Amino acid sequence: DAGITQSPRHKVTETGTPVTLRCHQTENHRYMYWYRQDPGHGLRLIHYSYGVKDTDKGEVSDGYSVSRSKTEDFLLTLESATSSQTSVYFCAITSGANTGELFFGEGSRLTVL
Amino acid sequence: KQEVTQIPAALSVPEGENLVLNCSFTDSAIYNLQWFRQDPGKGLTSLLLIQSSQREQTSGRLNASLDKSSGRSTLYIAASQPGDSATYLCAVPAQGAQKLVFGQGTRLTINP
Repeated sequence: DAGITQSPRHKVTETGTPVTLRCHQTENHRYMYWYRQDPGHGLRLIHYSYGVKDTDKGEVSDGYSVSRSKTEDFLLTLESATSSQTSVYFCAITSGANTGELFFGEGSRLTVL
Repeated sequence: KQEVTQIPAALSVPEGENLVLNCSFTDSAIYNLQWFRQDPGKGLTSLLLIQSSQREQTSGRLNASLDKSSGRSTLYIAASQPGDSATYLCAVPAQGAQKLVFGQGTRLTINP
């Protein structure tokens, strides 16, 4: 199994509070991604990173920010959580964005009340 | 813009049957195609990665084929078992972007 750890795995928070999800990898892969998965919408890309301090937006980036200060860590921050951000969040990694195999973490289930 | 379609959305078959899951994509200029499995409440597990130069890839009872010219891939599961019940997704790289485009998945149920 690819060495990907997401934390926390479950979180319940209130509207308006900040939330940070962490993805940690031990594979030294260059590319890291944050997806959200919702019934009826499938997997949607939030943000991705192609190296330390190099990030870009995905299709549903509004309300989210990311940071990558080290190769192994990719943080997803919800500055002020809303109920529409209740979802399951998945981190994924690959050695090559268009050529490599993509591996996923176990997911972080976030509930915003 | 690359689009990926998986039909059917759900499939239910009795144990022991051989079955085929379909994946189609609109832009045939792809580097590879990947099949994933997702169990309820779990992350996605990579099953097979087919490079554009390959036509088939096999892992145990699973065989994936790729026909770039027609924009299609199939995942063949032999001698299905109840443990194969899961959602199966395919994904291809998006053109000009460092990311994958996913299908909506096929939810497979194998009945004992």
